[in-house]
Amino acid sequence: GEDVEQSLFLSVREGDSSVINCTYTDSSSTYLYWYKQEPGAGLQLLTYIFSNMDMKQDQRLTVLLNKKDKHLSLRIADTQTGDSAIYFCAEDAGGGNKLTFGTGTQLKVEL
Amino acid sequence: DAGVTQSPTHLIKTRGQQVTLRCSPKSGHDTVSWYQQALGQGPQFIFQYYEEEERQRGNFPDRFSGHQFPNYSSELNVNALLLGDSALYLCASSSETTDTQYFGPGTRLTVL
Repeated sequence: GEDVEQSLFLSVREGDSSVINCTYTDSSSTYLYWYKQEPGAGLQLLTYIFSNMDMKQDQRLTVLLNKKDKHLSLRIADTQTGDSAIYFCAEDAGGGNKLTFGTGTQLKVEL
Repeated sequence: DAGVTQSPTHLIKTRGQQVTLRCSPKSGHDTVSWYQQALGQGPQFIFQYYEEEERQRGNFPDRFSGHQFPNYSSELNVNALLLGDSALYLCASSSETTDTQYFGPGTRLTVL
């Protein structure tokens, strides 16, 4: 079955790098996503990675995928106060955009 | 491009009532998915509409139903509301040619 797990909280200092981790269980996942949710708002797509890739970089964001261990991470370089939010990883196991989300990691950026 | 829009923003209902939520997809998208996000949780997939038919469904009871119109907009209907239906309801749109879904701002439903 599908299950996605994330740690609940992460606190970093402004300017440091943040690394948010996620594990998933469905080895048939085709795409894996990172979404950002600010208080009272919907989900903002940050980046995604196809299952045949190991790494994807997009400006300050780096996604690493370890398919053997079913582990996905999101690294945010030079973290800013505006990055404070809840970050969700999600898998699309069967294709067709039926996403299974983790419980979210709340990132707090301190001055 | 307006992106995905949802209405209303907030809604308060009482137990046993029925509710209809609305979603307009991003321009060029033909597929609409609905998710329920309870407080402190990640979104859970309710169902997906494509070509005016339900294509996929998550683990939600029949009280949850939907519809898609020829212009690709969609409605989510929930009958016999329970307190546990209180949540943020998110609509997402995509197309057959894209690998990604874009989410709307959500409708906050409170059941008293």
